[in-house]
Amino acid sequence: EDQVTQSPEALRLQEGESSSLNCSYTVSGLRGLFWYRQDPGKGPEFLFTLYSAGEEKEKERLKATLTKKESFLHITAPKPEDSATYLCAVQAGDGNKLVFGAGTILRVKS
Amino acid sequence: DSGVTQTPKHLITATGQRVTLRCSPRSGDLSVYWYQQSLDQGLQFLIQYYNGEERAKGNILERFSAQQFPDLHSELNLSSLELGDSALYFCASSQGRSGGLQETQYFGPGTRLLVL
Repeated sequence: EDQVTQSPEALRLQEGESSSLNCSYTVSGLRGLFWYRQDPGKGPEFLFTLYSAGEEKEKERLKATLTKKESFLHITAPKPEDSATYLCAVQAGDGNKLVFGAGTILRVKS
Repeated sequence: DSGVTQTPKHLITATGQRVTLRCSPRSGDLSVYWYQQSLDQGLQFLIQYYNGEERAKGNILERFSAQQFPDLHSELNLSSLELGDSALYFCASSQGRSGGLQETQYFGPGTRLLVL
């Protein structure tokens, strides 16, 4: 059974304090790893897709990386508006569904 | 704004009742997915439709059913509602050129269902 584990469960940062979120996965035949951002009461907002180990993608203060067992979402010099829940999901095997981790709740204080 | 729309935004109903949630995918997308998000289970895949046909099924209860219409909008029907069905229900869509494989899924704003 495909499994996705995210850590930490919650993270508090000061504005400008860089950090990383972890997503480890156990799947049969990874087809894609997806990062989403979710604000309270809203739908997940797409951030990145990574398809193969070694791949990296960047967008503003966010950078996602992928290895054979895990992915990291690096946040550089975060701002309060980066506060949200960050979700990691995998698509594996011949299925189209996304299997989500529980998420990391990020709070950035000014 | 992802381009995926869902109605209604909020729904309050009683146990034993039946409700219908509606989703319109992004323009041009052929695949529609339904997910349930509850506090204890996180985001769980329910079902996928591709161009009107059921494509994949997750842990969807027998009391729940869905369909995708010729205009590609989709409806999720929940019947004999129980307290535990209270959750956020999200619809997502993707292009569907590869049936959904390796495609980014774009999520709608969700329907918050409260069963009393």
